[in-house]
Amino acid sequence: QVQLVQSQSGAEVKKPGASVKLSCKASGYTFTSYNVHWVRQAPGQGLEWMGIINPSGGITRHAQKFQGRVTMTWDTSTSTVYMELSSLRSEDTAMFYCARHNSGWAFDYWGQGTLVTVSS
Amino acid sequence: QSALTQPASVSGSPGQSITISCTGTSSDVGGYNYVSWYQQHPGKAPKLMIYEVSNRPSGVSDRFSGSKSGNTASLTISGLEAGDEADYYCSSYTSSGTGVFGGGTKLTVL
Repeated sequence: QVQLVQSQSGAEVKKPGASVKLSCKASGYTFTSYNVHWVRQAPGQGLEWMGIINPSGGITRHAQKFQGRVTMTWDTSTSTVYMELSSLRSEDTAMFYCARHNSGWAFDYWGQGTLVTVSS
Repeated sequence: QSALTQPASVSGSPGQSITISCTGTSSDVGGYNYVSWYQQHPGKAPKLMIYEVSNRPSGVSDRFSGSKSGNTASLTISGLEAGDEADYYCSSYTSSGTGVFGGGTKLTVL
């Protein structure tokens, strides 16, 4: 069955200005055949699309607001995608999800999420 | 890219039907048939309910349906059940090659 398993630690605590690198390990399907999205959700807020990575060609796109701060990478040998967000600020405190892309623009399978807290 | 516009809340009684709207622009909702809808229960990851405007993934109840007219997409839930109480989000592809979500709608089953 398709599964996306995010960072085993489950939660990260970072200081302002630091970086965080999150992982998302895919299983149950051909890793290079599906793009993966990153979506975040601040506490009590809505979903926010961050970016997409193609694990086959390595092409990435991200929302303009994360320009210069987000880096998405992948490792085919472990079927894992990564998302690194730098220059963290308190407003980046959120649950971060990875999700598999399918059918036009739909996210059909989601990871369990990783909570990132940015606090001094 | 501004978030798509959804009502903050809707409510209905069991057995009734409700519709949640999702308004964008010709650069997103109106320009592509790439609108999807997600259900999110508290503390859980979102779940895909509708993709490509009106298609249901396998396993999703046929009480859920989607449509689009111009720059506005809609999700209709018929025969409301207590378990439908959740937050609902629409999403669309945009002309920038990026994605955008709606602000979310809290559905209360009275």
